[in-house]
Amino acid sequence: QQQVRQSPQSLTVWEGETAILNCSYEDSTFDYFPWYHQFPGESPALLIAIRPVSNKKEDGRFTIFFNKREKKFSLHIADSQPGDSATYFCAAKAGYQNFYFGKGTSLTVIP
Amino acid sequence: NAGVIQTPRHKVTGKGQEATLWCEPISGHSAVFWYRQTIVQGLEFLTYFRNQAPIDDSGMPKERFSAQMPNQSHSTLKIQSTQPQDSAVYLCASSLDGDTQYFGPGTRLLVL
Repeated sequence: QQQVRQSPQSLTVWEGETAILNCSYEDSTFDYFPWYHQFPGESPALLIAIRPVSNKKEDGRFTIFFNKREKKFSLHIADSQPGDSATYFCAAKAGYQNFYFGKGTSLTVIP
Repeated sequence: NAGVIQTPRHKVTGKGQEATLWCEPISGHSAVFWYRQTIVQGLEFLTYFRNQAPIDDSGMPKERFSAQMPNQSHSTLKIQSTQPQDSAVYLCASSLDGDTQYFGPGTRLLVL
């Protein structure tokens, strides 16, 4: 059973638009939800993360929206830039347990 | 801060040979995670150490994969009798608090 589901698999937006990446999860004990980005040839790097005590977390142009009741969380990238083109992974974990990753969304921002 | 160090960066083995991958976590980090990344399967969790103790190895293929963390400065992932399907990028990540992970550059393993 896939613990974390991510969609869409790929997304193309124009420069300046808001890109929306979605994730859902199964385990209600998950208490930490990070998003990573990965550029070609590089390793994943933490972008932003949220805990269920909040339903929104902002960091510059990046915002996580969290819906505990529906077990969903999303990453919104405002004013998308070509430099944001990368693969984005959502993940979830509970306490000291391991991380479960989504399959990734390949984002392309067209100038 | 040199970040997480992984060696070798690239390794080519013949089918049936053994491969040992090394990871040096960021100094002071108590948690070390191993992942495998492929185009088809994405990012797969393999195993996790906390304060050198194995916490979860549920992602490890049981028969040929093993991992150790003999001291706080390095961890190894050993693959015996490598198979072509083991070809992947193996990533090590370390964490101070168990949440914020810092990934190493990875070891690209190719099994011919």
